[in-house]
Amino acid sequence: EIVLTQSPDFQSVTPKEKVTITCRASQSIGSSLHWYQQKPDQSPKLLIKYASQSFSGVPSRFSGSGSGTDFTLTINSLEAEDAATYYCHQSSSLPRTFGQGTKVEIK
Amino acid sequence: QVQLQESGPGLVKPSETLSLTCTVSGGSVSSGSYYWSWIRQPPGKGLEWIGYIYYSGSTNYNPSLKSRVTISVDTSKNQFSLKLSSVTAADTAVYYCAREEVLTGSPFDYWGQGTLVTVSS
Repeated sequence: EIVLTQSPDFQSVTPKEKVTITCRASQSIGSSLHWYQQKPDQSPKLLIKYASQSFSGVPSRFSGSGSGTDFTLTINSLEAEDAATYYCHQSSSLPRTFGQGTKVEIK
Repeated sequence: QVQLQESGPGLVKPSETLSLTCTVSGGSVSSGSYYWSWIRQPPGKGLEWIGYIYYSGSTNYNPSLKSRVTISVDTSKNQFSLKLSSVTAADTAVYYCAREEVLTGSPFDYWGQGTLVTVSS
C-alpha cells in the first residue's frame, strides 16, 4: 500500500497570503496524484488532477506541481472561502489511498 | 452533469450488515469508461477507499476490509451498492460513492453528498 504523508497538518493563514501544502508518497507514483478540497459537512471536491491539471471550474489561484514522490498544492492569494481541509490522493496502484489531510484556517 | 446520491439506513446495530445504495443520474453505470467506488470518512478523520466495481461486475476491494465487503451493480436501476458485514462502532462514518475514469491513474471526479451511518445498539 502506498502511504501519502501531507505537511503541515494545520495551517493558519491571513487572506491574500500564499499557502503551500506538500504530499510525499512512500514510493514513486508518477503523476497519478490528485488534490481535493473538503469544507465542513460537504463531500470532497476535485481541485487538481494528475499533479498539475486544474479540474473544470476551479479558480486559477489553485495550482499543483510535482511528480514521482513529492507533490505540492499551492493556493495563491488565499480567500476566506478557501478555509477547508485539503487531501491528496493516489491512483497509481490499489488500494487507492489518501493523505491524512491539511486543515487551512483563515486568521 | 453526472450526480451521485447515497441512500440507506442511518443506524445499524453492531454485528449486523450495513447496506447502502448509490443512484447515478446524468450518466450510466453501464458505461465502460468508469469505475464506481465507495469511500468512507469516520467523524473528524480522513478518507478511506473501500472498493470499486466495474459495470461488468468486476470488483476490487481494500485489503483492510475485503473479508467483510461486497459491492454490486444493478444496471437496470443505474445503481451500485455496498454491503459491509459484522459492523462495529469503528465502522461509524460518512459513506460516499464516487466515480473514477478507467484510465491509468484517474481521480475521483464526482462524489455523492455522503450519508452518515452510525453503528450503535
